[in-house]
Amino acid sequence: KAGVTQTPRYLIKTRGQQVTLSCSPISGHRSVSWYQQTPGQGLQFLFEYFSETQRNKGNFPGRFSGRQFSNSRSEMNVSTLELGDSALYLCASSFLGAGTGEKLFFGSGTQLSVL
Amino acid sequence: EDQVTQSPEALRLQEGESSSLNCSYTVSGLRGLFWYRQDPGKGPEFLFTLYSAGEEKEKERLKATLTKKESFLHITAPKPEDSATYLCAVPPTGNTPLVFGKGTRLSVIA
Repeated sequence: KAGVTQTPRYLIKTRGQQVTLSCSPISGHRSVSWYQQTPGQGLQFLFEYFSETQRNKGNFPGRFSGRQFSNSRSEMNVSTLELGDSALYLCASSFLGAGTGEKLFFGSGTQLSVL
Repeated sequence: EDQVTQSPEALRLQEGESSSLNCSYTVSGLRGLFWYRQDPGKGPEFLFTLYSAGEEKEKERLKATLTKKESFLHITAPKPEDSATYLCAVPPTGNTPLVFGKGTRLSVIA
């Protein structure tokens, strides 16, 4: 069974640009969660999508958005990039969802560098 | 308000030197405590889930235990390949997503 796939693996952007990251969950998983990981803050929850609906949202500005498609694949978008957005963006999938006590399966992440 | 606190932040061990990592949490009505391992440049990999005080789980040189306020990850006779960041996480009350601690960065020196 294929794991969680995130693309691209690395991304370099400049301030003010926008970026779109993609995540393909494990087949059959309907929940996709996104996390931002930085050395200082650790893993910070961005949002969760379940069956194409946003179910939870973390404390991030509106520049961060996401969506989920009918095949459960998800994208997240960051507009007007800032230097502080440099981070490893992780996607995780599960069958029932991140808040149900079910374990999450993570992708390898997209390393975003904003110059 | 921190709901999950891990200590120490970093730990350096000699190969074969056993030790423990700590994860304390403040959520009530625990619906599971998760341990993950993360290698540099990769996503976290699931290790264990513990659901009730007194529960223990083992995998190779790792054993996770749970009390009402904290969990320990015991590493027995570690090897260099055990070097990684170990994360613990809990789901807060309600249908909210996992909250992660900041992790313990373990280095095992041959």
